[in-house]
Amino acid sequence: NAGVTQTPKFQVLKTGQSMTLQCAQDMNHEYMSWYRQDPGMGLRLIHYSVGAGITDQGEVPNGYNVSRSTTEDFPLRLLSAAPSQTSVYFCASSYSPSSYNSPLHFGNGTRLTVT
Amino acid sequence: AQSVTQLGSHVSVSEGALVLLRCNYSSSVPPYLFWYVQYPNQGLQLLLKYTSAATLVKGINGFEAEFKKSETSFHLTKPSAHMSDAAEYFCAVSDLTFTSGSRLTFGEGTQLTVNP
Repeated sequence: NAGVTQTPKFQVLKTGQSMTLQCAQDMNHEYMSWYRQDPGMGLRLIHYSVGAGITDQGEVPNGYNVSRSTTEDFPLRLLSAAPSQTSVYFCASSYSPSSYNSPLHFGNGTRLTVT
Repeated sequence: AQSVTQLGSHVSVSEGALVLLRCNYSSSVPPYLFWYVQYPNQGLQLLLKYTSAATLVKGINGFEAEFKKSETSFHLTKPSAHMSDAAEYFCAVSDLTFTSGSRLTFGEGTQLTVNP
């Protein structure tokens, strides 16, 4: 099982550049989400999706866009990168947001540096 | 809004000693609470979860946590630390509209070091 796959593992951007962080899961999970991890702040939710065609904002959505055209993929777009977006980004998925026993499965992260 | 606070960003124990990682929550309704572990250069893995069935919850790798409503706490313990337990540990609370624990609010994390 591949689980949750994130690409790339590392990325360096210059301020103002755009890029897309890829996330794919092969578990037929309804729910997918993006978190960013910063030292001393834990993980903060950026955007999430409860199914194909449905997305919503989390705690820190500014500067990021998402779409969910298929069940498997949930890309995160940075339209104009800023140094404040330097972070480690995690994609996570679960079978169903309304299912009692449906824990989050995390990818291994993308480490992004914006200079 | 729900939140969790982890007391101590770094905890150091000797191999074989008791591990105690502290987490306090804030919630206006009974919460769903979770502990996740993150090993270096990896994503998070679920250790255990509390969903109101039993106040003492047993997880993987010998960890357990006790939900204490009177203290609004959900501390993580392990009787005897192993070198392989060295990792970062996160306490989290669920948005109650997501009963599975999909939408989580995380604490700041506690880095556990195990000394030989």
